[in-house]
Amino acid sequence: ILNVEQSPQSLHVQEGDSTNFTCSFPSSNFYALHWYRWETAKSPEALFVMTLNGDEKKKGRISATLNTKEGYSYLYIKGSQPEDSATYLCAFNPPDSSYKLIFGSGTRLLVRP
Amino acid sequence: NAGVTQTPKFQVLKTGQSMTLQCAQDMNHEYMSWYRQDPGMGLRLIHYSVGAGITDQGEVPNGYNVSRSTTEDFPLRLLSAAPSQTSVYFCASRLWDKANEKLFFGSGTQLSVL
Repeated sequence: ILNVEQSPQSLHVQEGDSTNFTCSFPSSNFYALHWYRWETAKSPEALFVMTLNGDEKKKGRISATLNTKEGYSYLYIKGSQPEDSATYLCAFNPPDSSYKLIFGSGTRLLVRP
Repeated sequence: NAGVTQTPKFQVLKTGQSMTLQCAQDMNHEYMSWYRQDPGMGLRLIHYSVGAGITDQGEVPNGYNVSRSTTEDFPLRLLSAAPSQTSVYFCASRLWDKANEKLFFGSGTQLSVL
């Protein structure tokens, strides 16, 4: 069974703090690694899709890095704001299929004002 | 564009009842999929399709049927609902055979089976 592990499971930070989460995945036959942001009562929305080892993506205060050789990705949020409160999901394609996307259970972030 | 549209938003069923969750997209995406989300677990893939007439199983297909007669629609059928199928269901689509393309999600269907 292929697992995508995300840590920590949940995180409470103060407004203005910077934070980061980890996504670990099997490193063989890598296709792509996705990050999604999921606010309560809404649908998941894509943040980044990364395909190359060493990829770095940035969107405002949020950035992500990818290491396919060791099987991990980091998501960073600089200067967290209350509106960043959400569950952050990562997902990857298993080696036998570029059609299936396997999701981790997410990191739940709460930013206190 | 409306994106991915799911109906209904909420549904309560009795054990043994059948129902169909509807999903439609207007982005001409070949790839469509159904996920379920349960507390403490990630989104789990039920079934997916890479085009009209083509469907395949995901991680948790048992108890669910799908069909894809058009590019736009991908309904999910529960033939005999069980309490274990109480969950939140999401439909998602993207351009096919593009592992680096992001998924677009519908708004979800909250299903309770009593």
